[in-house]
Amino acid sequence: DVKVTQSSRYLVKRTGEKVFLECVQDMDHENMFWYRQDPGLGLRLIYFSYDVKMKEKGDIPEGYSVSREKKERFSLILESASTNQTSMYLCASNGGREQYFGPGTRLTVT
Amino acid sequence: GIQVEQSPPDLILQEGANSTLRCNFSDSVNNLQWFHQNPWGQLINLFYIPSGTKQNGRLSATTVATERYSLLYISSSQTTDSGVYFCAVELTTGTASKLTFGTGTRLQVTL
Repeated sequence: DVKVTQSSRYLVKRTGEKVFLECVQDMDHENMFWYRQDPGLGLRLIYFSYDVKMKEKGDIPEGYSVSREKKERFSLILESASTNQTSMYLCASNGGREQYFGPGTRLTVT
Repeated sequence: GIQVEQSPPDLILQEGANSTLRCNFSDSVNNLQWFHQNPWGQLINLFYIPSGTKQNGRLSATTVATERYSLLYISSSQTTDSGVYFCAVELTTGTASKLTFGTGTRLQVTL
């Protein structure tokens, strides 16, 4: 059974903190993605990676960075969290066909 | 960029009713997928459907790529079908295929 896991379901951080969101997939997929989902704005792509150590900006990369040191793991980093980064963060992976999502991390920045 | 429009935006059904959700897209795409997001936020892949028709239980989907639309049919709806349905189209940018999502159809199935 395919699986994408995320390190936390709920997270509360303070403004200015450095935040790490971790995602792991067990399907040996080349492609991994980070989205954020906000009411009325749908799913927006932050960053994606098509191979180890490779990354590309999505539609809203500002304020975020990513790391992919191993094929199965893709990390999203908020360098200095701000209140406008309060959102649901969704990780996904695909191997060129169906895309699979993790359960999401609901991040609140206070 | 490509536009993906879904209709209707909201739908309320009584249990047992049938429904059709539509996805229109503005340009040629390599592929199309349908997802269901349950009330807990988990997105589940329903169909990978670049063209033609597929069925999975009470759900079926049809994509007519030449006319740039896809339809998702839900028959004999159940309360567990509630949630948001997204279609997403796949563009290959040269490095990785990435999905562009529609804004979704929110479905509520009542007893």
